[in-house]
Amino acid sequence: SQQGEEDPQALSIQEGENATMNCSYKTSINNLQWYRQNSGRGLVHLILIRSNEREKHSGRLRVTLDTSKKSSSLLITASRAADTASYFCATRNNYGQNFVFGPGTRLSVLP
Amino acid sequence: EPEVTQTPSHQVTQMGQEVILRCVPISNHLYFYWYRQILGQKVEFLVSFYNNEISEKSEIFDDQFSVERPDGSNFTLKIRSTKLEDSAMYFCAAVAGADEQYFGPGTRLTVT
Repeated sequence: SQQGEEDPQALSIQEGENATMNCSYKTSINNLQWYRQNSGRGLVHLILIRSNEREKHSGRLRVTLDTSKKSSSLLITASRAADTASYFCATRNNYGQNFVFGPGTRLSVLP
Repeated sequence: EPEVTQTPSHQVTQMGQEVILRCVPISNHLYFYWYRQILGQKVEFLVSFYNNEISEKSEIFDDQFSVERPDGSNFTLKIRSTKLEDSAMYFCAAVAGADEQYFGPGTRLTVT
């Protein structure tokens, strides 16, 4: 089954450092998205990358997509304490409208 | 930014009782979704809804679950006879044409 899997499961860094999270999936996709979730809250859409794109930027976020390896990475540069949250990747295939989420990476940015 | 709202924020119910979770999605969005997130675990797709009918559903979405859009604005998820393992956060999401999902704040369902 198509499934996003993030690694690492948890990441702890100092403020100002960069954070890199990875996501792998199993089947062909239409697009891959990254979401942030603060504890006990809803998910917030961060960035979407389509299967024909290799890299996208949005502010301090950089997302790459390697469809040959079925993987994506999310880089947060110059991290801040406010970036502390769980980050999820979600994929949508070409055949349906449902999204499959990975288990998430819990990021802690220490001041 | 568009906003999806959900009510109630927290619902406590006894096992076997029916619950209805409500969502007010963004009016000009096309697809609506329900997801479940058991505490500390991944977000799981339950069902998608398009043009007033179910588009897709997961294995989790069995006969105990149903969705409706009774009045063209509210979007409800009903669990007919709750079980302990239904305790989770339930999120509603709306999608326009660009595939970006706008999530509501969620309803925490506690089944005792």
